[in-house]
Amino acid sequence: QSVLTQPPSVSGAPGQRVTISCTGSSSNIGAGYDVHWYQQLPGTAPKVVIFGNSNRPSGVPDRFSGSKSGTSASLAITGLQAEDEADYYCQSYDYSLSGYWVFGGGTKLTVL
Amino acid sequence: EVQLVESGGGLVQPGGSLRLSCAASGFTFSSYWMHWVRQAPGKGLLWVSSVNSDGGPTSYADSVKGRFTISRDNAKNTVYLQMTSLRAEDSARYYCTRAVGLTDFDYWGQGTPVIVSS
Repeated sequence: QSVLTQPPSVSGAPGQRVTISCTGSSSNIGAGYDVHWYQQLPGTAPKVVIFGNSNRPSGVPDRFSGSKSGTSASLAITGLQAEDEADYYCQSYDYSLSGYWVFGGGTKLTVL
Repeated sequence: EVQLVESGGGLVQPGGSLRLSCAASGFTFSSYWMHWVRQAPGKGLLWVSSVNSDGGPTSYADSVKGRFTISRDNAKNTVYLQMTSLRAEDSARYYCTRAVGLTDFDYWGQGTPVIVSS
C-alpha cells in the first residue's frame, strides 16, 4: 500500500486529454511538500516530467502540466501521443515517523 | 553531462550480502543528496535510502532499516549501499538518483539488478 494513491490505469485516444490523480495526506502533500511526477518508459529509468508541483524541465513538451491542491495533485497530458504511453509516478516527502521520500503506486497510461 | 552508473548487483542467497556502488560524474557530487530507489519486477518505485551531501544524516525505509547502510565518498564521487541479511523481497532493480534537499530526483542511473534466491 503506497503512501500516495494513484489510479492503476488511465487511457485515452490520440489527441485527447488525460489526467492522473495523486492523493496524499496531511503529513505529505497536505503539509506543503512539493509533488514531482516521473515518466517511466518500458525498460528505462524514470524521468522527471513535472517538478515542484507544476514546473516542466527543459525538453518536456508543454502538453504536460501539473497542479496541486490540498492533499492532492494531478498530472495532465493534453494532445495525447503514442509516445506518451508509459507508467507515471507521483512523489513527495512525508514527515511522519522518521521522514521519508514517498512515491505513488504508479499509473499505466495507455494510448488507444 | 550528468552520469550515474550503478554496479555491484547480482544473484545472492537469502541471508547474504551485497554492496552496490554508484559512480557519479558531470556535476559537483558533494552538493547533492544521493538516494537509492528500487523497483521489483512489475512493481512500482520504492525509495530505499538517502545520504546528505556531506555524508552526514542518513535515512532508510522501514523495510530495510537495520539491514542496509548507505555511505558516500565525496573524493571518489561514489555512493554505496551495503545490503545485509538479504531477503527474497529485496529482489529488485536498484537505481541511484540525486536531489538537492527535498527537490525532485532529476537524474537517475540505469539501475543494477539484485536477485535474492537460493
